[in-house]
Amino acid sequence: QVQMVQSGAEVKQPGASVIVSCKASGYTFTDYYIHWVRQAPGQGLEWMGWMNPNSGGTIYALKFQGRVTLTRDTSISTAHMEVRSLRPDDTAVYYCARGTDEFDLWGQGTLVTVSS
Amino acid sequence: DIQMTQSPSSLAASEGDRVTITCRASQDIRTYLNWYQQKPGKAPKLLIKGASSLQSGVPSRFSGSGSGADFTLTISSLQPEDFATYYCQQSYNRYTFGQGTKLEIK
Repeated sequence: QVQMVQSGAEVKQPGASVIVSCKASGYTFTDYYIHWVRQAPGQGLEWMGWMNPNSGGTIYALKFQGRVTLTRDTSISTAHMEVRSLRPDDTAVYYCARGTDEFDLWGQGTLVTVSS
Repeated sequence: DIQMTQSPSSLAASEGDRVTITCRASQDIRTYLNWYQQKPGKAPKLLIKGASSLQSGVPSRFSGSGSGADFTLTISSLQPEDFATYYCQQSYNRYTFGQGTKLEIK
């Protein structure tokens, strides 16, 4: 079954870091870029960045440069997203998705809550 | 950054209606335009890619058109499962989503 399964919900304090994982299965992990998109409660979709799982190369949205790092472990077909210096307005559902020009497969989403 | 503007932001319609949602880019994006459907609590689902290509498995009542800066998504005959939020996305230069159009039952 072709799918992307993300790690579970997280609750973090302001200033902390969080790592969200995304495990791909049913397809060749290195054949598709992995993107990260977030959605704040009741809001729209915001693209954060992408990673080439083959080379490890990354591109980040300007807003997230320096605060977000995308990595991968090809041996277990898993991508990771780390967000540092969390703020309350980082509270959102974070999605991984695969694709190049379009995102044809998405993870189920991971809720990250930032609260003191 | 390329800005994407959808209209309307919300729309009330009835089963069987024909519905059109528009998306305008702040610059020419050729046909690098995709449409997604999102239901509450679920991940987005790709409907249309490259402005007009129907994604595999998506019903033919969905169609997309446009090029350059102006695009439309049309649902020819609304079904109960189509009430959801729809987003356009440009992939010409990085990626930007429209603000969404919530399609509600009249």
